[in-house]
Order: sequence, then structure tokens, then C-alpha cells
Amino acid sequence: GQQVMQIPQYQHVQEGEDFTTYCNSSTTLSNIQWYKQRPGGHPVFLIQLVKSGEVKKQKRLTFQFGEAKKNSSLHITATQTTDVGTYFCAVLNNYGQNFVFGPGTRLSVLP
Amino acid sequence: DSGVTQTPKHLITATGQRVTLRCSPRSGDLSVYWYQQSLDQGLQFLIQYYNGEERAKGNILERFSAQQFPDLHSELNLSSLELGDSALYFCASSGGSSLKQYFGPGTRLTVT
Repeated sequence: GQQVMQIPQYQHVQEGEDFTTYCNSSTTLSNIQWYKQRPGGHPVFLIQLVKSGEVKKQKRLTFQFGEAKKNSSLHITATQTTDVGTYFCAVLNNYGQNFVFGPGTRLSVLP
Repeated sequence: DSGVTQTPKHLITATGQRVTLRCSPRSGDLSVYWYQQSLDQGLQFLIQYYNGEERAKGNILERFSAQQFPDLHSELNLSSLELGDSALYFCASSGGSSLKQYFGPGTRLTVT
């Protein structure tokens, strides 16, 4: 089945520092989604990327889809305590039927 | 509030028992997905329904089954429960051409 890797598994940063998480696939992706799950909460959709090399920004968050459409990154500038949570990428499975979620990157922000 | 509702919020039951989890999708969404999230783990896709029909199946155990009713709400049935089935079960819905999934608050199942 579809394999999706995310690195790092955990990241601890000081408030104000930047943070980046990466999502990697062994196969070419048709699209990729990013979700955020706060502690004790449910996943919340952040963005969907479709085009090769696509870059989208949401305030302090920058999302990028690789040129080969096999990887993606989420970068947060000047983290805040509200950024705490687990960030998941999700990709369509090989049959395009459902999304496969990566294992997630858990972000801790120290005030 | 995502517009997706799940009941119950918490469920505690014993091994060997059977439970039913319920999900109501956002108004107008035809697709319903079920996911299992064990402690500190990722989201494991279980099954998807679209307008009452099974659309895709993931790593769903034979002891588990689901259905989507004409009013589009969905139920996930878990039987012969084992300790390892303890987890958060999320339902998500999506609609139209958008693949964006809206997640419900989840049902926390504890099997003792």
C-alpha cells in the first residue's frame, strides 16, 4: 500500500523559533493535504496542494509541494504556543480512493 | 465546530462486548470516513462510504463493520472487543468535488 513518511517525529522549539516538518512518499502524488490536531482535539484541515512546485501561505505557515510531487513541507515562522499540536500530511492511496495519513510530527513550543 | 457530530463521546466496555458508534456528517456531505487513532499514534483509515455505498476499505478488522443510512448518518459496529481496540475513533465527512475532510470530535473507546 501507499507509504508516507514524516520527519521529524517530534520537535521541541522555543517560542519565536521556526519549525519545519517534511512529508515524503516513494511514489508520485496527485495531491497532498495537511492537517493539524491539537492535544485532545480532532484533525483540522489546513491546506491541499495539487500542482508541482506549488507554494501556499497562510499567515505564518508556508506549504510547499515538491517539483517531483513526491514530497511536501510545512514551515512555521516564529512559532507561538498556539502552534502546539501534531501535524499530519495525507495523500491519496494508489487507487485514488481514500487518503493515507502520515504518522505525524508532534510540535511542542516552549514559552 | 466542524459540523460533524459523533456519539457517544466516551464509551467504556468490557472485552468480548459489542458497541456501535454513530456519526452524522456535515449537511450535504455524501462521503463518510472512519478512522482509528490509538494512543499517540497516527490515523488509520478503516472504511469510507459514499451516499450509502461502501467506497473504500482500509485496515478494518473482520470484527468491525459499518454502514451508511439513507439519511447519510453512519454507524461503526465493533464486536468481540479486545483490549487493543481501545482507541479514539474519528468520523470525517467530505462533499462535492472537494476532498477536504471535516472531522468529528471523536469517540474515545476504552475496553477493560
